[in-house]
Amino acid sequence: AQSVSQHNHHVILSEAASLELGCNYSYGGTVNLFWYVQYPGQHLQLLLKYFSGDPLVKGIKGFEAEFIKSKFSFNLRKPSVQWSDTAEYFCAVRDAGGTSYGKLTFGQGTILTVHP
Amino acid sequence: GAGVSQTPSNKVTEKGKYVELRCDPISGHTALYWYRQSLGQGPEFLIYFQGTGAADDSGLPNDRFFAVRPEGSVSTLKIQRTERGDSAVYLCASSLRDRAQTGQFFGPGTRLTVL
Repeated sequence: AQSVSQHNHHVILSEAASLELGCNYSYGGTVNLFWYVQYPGQHLQLLLKYFSGDPLVKGIKGFEAEFIKSKFSFNLRKPSVQWSDTAEYFCAVRDAGGTSYGKLTFGQGTILTVHP
Repeated sequence: GAGVSQTPSNKVTEKGKYVELRCDPISGHTALYWYRQSLGQGPEFLIYFQGTGAADDSGLPNDRFFAVRPEGSVSTLKIQRTERGDSAVYLCASSLRDRAQTGQFFGPGTRLTVL
């Protein structure tokens, strides 16, 4: 069975600091990868996704993520965070080669707090 | 356009009671998903529909949980004989189809509390 591990439960940064949130998954087949974000009081929103091609993907609000197949990782990065990036971030994986194409497996989430 | 909507937003019930949670997907989306999120955890897959049929129900924890989508639009998640451990936020999501490369669009969730 697939599993997703997010290394940090809570990250605290000051504005303008750089961000990297770790995500590792355990599945050897073809995968699609996602980062979702949940801002306070709002529902889950897609931040970025990887299906194929360039392993460096860019999403909304200046976020990017790099798929490293050999490390089973899909880390999220942002060069300079803002107070408005305070939210909970979830990494998710989907088995792209299986029969249950709709099932996402999520990590436990990382809470990001950015101090102004 | 309108997003995914879920009703009720909050549901408080007593142990042993029956509950129904409703999801209205984005118009035109043929795939619909249910997840459950416990405090401090990520969403956990329950079931998904492609059209009217359940394409994968492997995440339903036991036979007290059941979901339907009779007309391929609205879906209802039904929980019989609720237990305190069923307390969680139940999330619904939809997408154009299960293989869509747009990702899944999530609703606000229904917070279920079983006393």
